[in-house]
Amino acid sequence: EVQLVESGGGLVQPGGSLRLSCAPSGFTFSSYWMSWVRQAPGKGLEWVATIKQDGSERFYVDSVKGRFTISRDNAKSSLYLQMNSLRAEDTAVYYCARDGSRSNSPTDYWGQGTLVTVSS
Amino acid sequence: EIVLTQSPATLSLSPGERATLSCRASQSVSRYLVWYQQKPGQAPRLLIYDVSNRATGIPARFSGSGSGTDFTLTISSLEPEDFAVYYCQQRSNWPPITFGQGTRLEIK
Repeated sequence: EVQLVESGGGLVQPGGSLRLSCAPSGFTFSSYWMSWVRQAPGKGLEWVATIKQDGSERFYVDSVKGRFTISRDNAKSSLYLQMNSLRAEDTAVYYCARDGSRSNSPTDYWGQGTLVTVSS
Repeated sequence: EIVLTQSPATLSLSPGERATLSCRASQSVSRYLVWYQQKPGQAPRLLIYDVSNRATGIPARFSGSGSGTDFTLTISSLEPEDFAVYYCQQRSNWPPITFGQGTRLEIK
């Protein structure tokens, strides 16, 4: 059974940093593109970042470029999102998501999400 | 950036009725159009990928159609568990990967 478990969310002040982690299981992690998607309270889904299987390609939504870094450790089967210079508008539930083996593959599994609240 | 516009924003129907949800793209997304269902407090769930392919375990009452810029998710006969928010997503020309704003399907 495919499972994705996020951790690392919490309350942080504006300008602060957080590192989200995702622990996948039930599939060969190194074979899949992986993404982070967020959802602000009461709002829709917003794609944040995606990373290729070997980490050689990474893509970001414009609003987080230069502030967020997606990374992965295939040896540890872990996905990360380092978030710096956090803003109030980054407040959201952050989902770890499994994409497919191709760049156009859909996201087929999602974690339950971890809440990040940016507030003073 | 490809913008996806979903309509209607809210759809009020009764169980047993047919639901038709629309997703229009600002430019062609080829076949890379996906539909997700999200219930309150839950993560999204993949329903349809590549316009018309049902994901594993998705009932046959869910179907997707369309091409180019206009796409439709149809639920042939609504069950009580189908009332949720539905999002379309494109992964044709990215980054960015974009979502529609969602259609809320509510019980009439």
